[in-house]
Amino acid sequence: DAGITQSPRHKVTETGTPVTLRCHQTENHRYMYWYRQDPGHGLRLIHYSYGVKDTDKGEVSDGYSVSRSKTEDFLLTLESATSSQTSVYFCAISEPPNEQFFGPGTRLTVL
Amino acid sequence: AQSVAQPEDQVNVAEGNPLTVKCTYSVSGNPYLFWYVQYPNRGLQFLLKYITGDNLVKGSYGFEAEFNKSQTSFHLKKPSALASDSALYFCAYPWSGGGADGLTFGKGTHLIIQP
Repeated sequence: DAGITQSPRHKVTETGTPVTLRCHQTENHRYMYWYRQDPGHGLRLIHYSYGVKDTDKGEVSDGYSVSRSKTEDFLLTLESATSSQTSVYFCAISEPPNEQFFGPGTRLTVL
Repeated sequence: AQSVAQPEDQVNVAEGNPLTVKCTYSVSGNPYLFWYVQYPNRGLQFLLKYITGDNLVKGSYGFEAEFNKSQTSFHLKKPSALASDSALYFCAYPWSGGGADGLTFGKGTHLIIQP
């Protein structure tokens, strides 16, 4: 999957706990993205980054924060997880104008 | 509001027959449009994109898509379906600007190739 790994691949947590998902790339691409995939909604953009320490909100950013301290790592944090954040989370990378490459996904369940 | 729509949740095609997965768009200006495919328990893979120029775009795995401005459509096609084409297909367009800031996806179409 184009040098992209996501960790953990599966996580079960309880409502109200903080959760951090990690995306790691070895392609040195400038742009990184976090999406969530839910049945009937396709993928929706949460946050994206266009460089180290440069991030911006996407379509469904409420309840999520991100950080990018190194080119290769993009972290997604749920400060206080809710059941509505149960989803499959995908990281993607790109070097515009080329297409995005997606990671294998993280399945998060919030009980 | 800008959007793409995939009117069919599922498409069934016999192996060896031509296939079409439909996408219509409501995007201002000159649209950038994409097709991605997702195999079970995998991330999405890029198939093809339309930026400008030729209305017929060729992509990976023998797929092509036809951009039709008058019908505001960008249907994905393949002349002869393979069993391995069974997957979830997404049409997408840039969330803002030229696409570097992320994509907005349709809801997806399950393509099932029947033997």
